[in-house]
Amino acid sequence: EVQLVESGGGLVQPGRSLKLSCVASGFTFNNYWMTWIRQAPGKGLEWVASITNTGGSTYYPDSVKGRFTISRDNAKSTLYLQMNSLRSEDTATYYCTRVHNSGYYFDYWGQGVMVTVSS
Amino acid sequence: DIVMTQGALPNPVPSGESASITCQSSKSLLYSDGKTYLNWYLQRPGQSPQLLIYWMSTRASGVSDRFSGSGSGTDFTLKISRVEAEDVGVYYCQQFLEFPLTFGSGTKLEIK
Repeated sequence: EVQLVESGGGLVQPGRSLKLSCVASGFTFNNYWMTWIRQAPGKGLEWVASITNTGGSTYYPDSVKGRFTISRDNAKSTLYLQMNSLRSEDTATYYCTRVHNSGYYFDYWGQGVMVTVSS
Repeated sequence: DIVMTQGALPNPVPSGESASITCQSSKSLLYSDGKTYLNWYLQRPGQSPQLLIYWMSTRASGVSDRFSGSGSGTDFTLKISRVEAEDVGVYYCQQFLEFPLTFGSGTKLEIK
């Protein structure tokens, strides 16, 4: 059974940093691209970052580029999201998702982890 | 960036009736490989989103055949036949043609 379990969320002050983790199980992690998607309270879904299966390439929207870094440790089947210079608008539930390896769609989602940026 | 625009539903929808959700993209999502990179997700209340439809019209594993996807390169429809209580939630379309990946704003389905 595929499982994606996020951790590392919490309350953080504006301008500070936070690192999220997502431990994957039930599949061969290093065969799949992975992605972080977030959802602000009461709002829709927003793509945050994607990484190829080897970690060789990463992709970000302008809203987080230069502040967030996606990475992975294939030996530990773990995905990360380093978030720096956090802003109030980064407050959201962050979902770890798997990208189907031949389809370009998000076929599995974690339960999500809440990040609140507030003083 | 590709903008995804979703339509609203005339909520609440009577149980057993059909519901159609529209989604429009600002650029054709038809790729040279013949696939249209438009996906649909359902987020039930209090849950993570789940995949319903990929490549515009292919149902994901385990998804009821009451759900069907159709469309052209820029105009898409998710049809839910014989709506049931478990279909309640917010439906999102999403394009995977190019970065930045983008979602529609969501369409809420309520059942009467």
